[in-house]
Amino acid sequence: DAGVIQSPRHEVTEMGQEVTLRCKPISGHNSLFWYRQTMMRGLELLIYFNNNVPIDDSGMPEDRFSAKMPNASFSTLKIQPSEPRDSAVYFCASTSLDRTEYGYTFGSGTRLTVV
Amino acid sequence: ILNVEQSPQSLHVQEGDSTNFTCSFPSSNFYALHWYRWETAKSPEALFVMTLNGDEKKKGRISATLNTKEGYSYLYIKGSQPEDSATYLCAFRVQAGTALIFGKGTTLSVSS
Repeated sequence: DAGVIQSPRHEVTEMGQEVTLRCKPISGHNSLFWYRQTMMRGLELLIYFNNNVPIDDSGMPEDRFSAKMPNASFSTLKIQPSEPRDSAVYFCASTSLDRTEYGYTFGSGTRLTVV
Repeated sequence: ILNVEQSPQSLHVQEGDSTNFTCSFPSSNFYALHWYRWETAKSPEALFVMTLNGDEKKKGRISATLNTKEGYSYLYIKGSQPEDSATYLCAFRVQAGTALIFGKGTTLSVSS
């Protein structure tokens, strides 16, 4: 398995533009998580899905952020409009609900810079 | 709000030293405690998943213990090597099917 695949690896955009981050979880994993890493807050949970259904989006900063998981192999995190304070590394992770003895597998992250 | 605290925030040791870090979490509604190793420019990698009070896990020179009644876990590194330099994250889960809540990590630097 290629692991959790995130794209793009780096994104530089201007304030006000729409940004879409993508994630392909490990095949067979049925939980998917979006985290944001900043110096101030560390790894902060944004939203997670179980069996493609959003379970908890209380970590999504505001209405500018939205996430979808249309099928078991793909998820997106969208920011519209983007702001400089959204600059961070965004990680996607997946795991299997049925195999709790295993930890999460993280993607390589997307480093977002909003100028 | 559930909080996971890790200490120290950073640590610098010499090669060959043994070291340990602490993770504190709410002792009520415990389900699982995870440890991750996060090297610079890479993704966090799972080290241990611990679920039972008194659990001890070991992987090479790294080991971890768990006390769910008092809400803490220790990570030990015996004979630190430069390749152990990384940030060590602790994460806590309150029940099955919920997401991990991460601490801010302990950053270890090992000098040769």
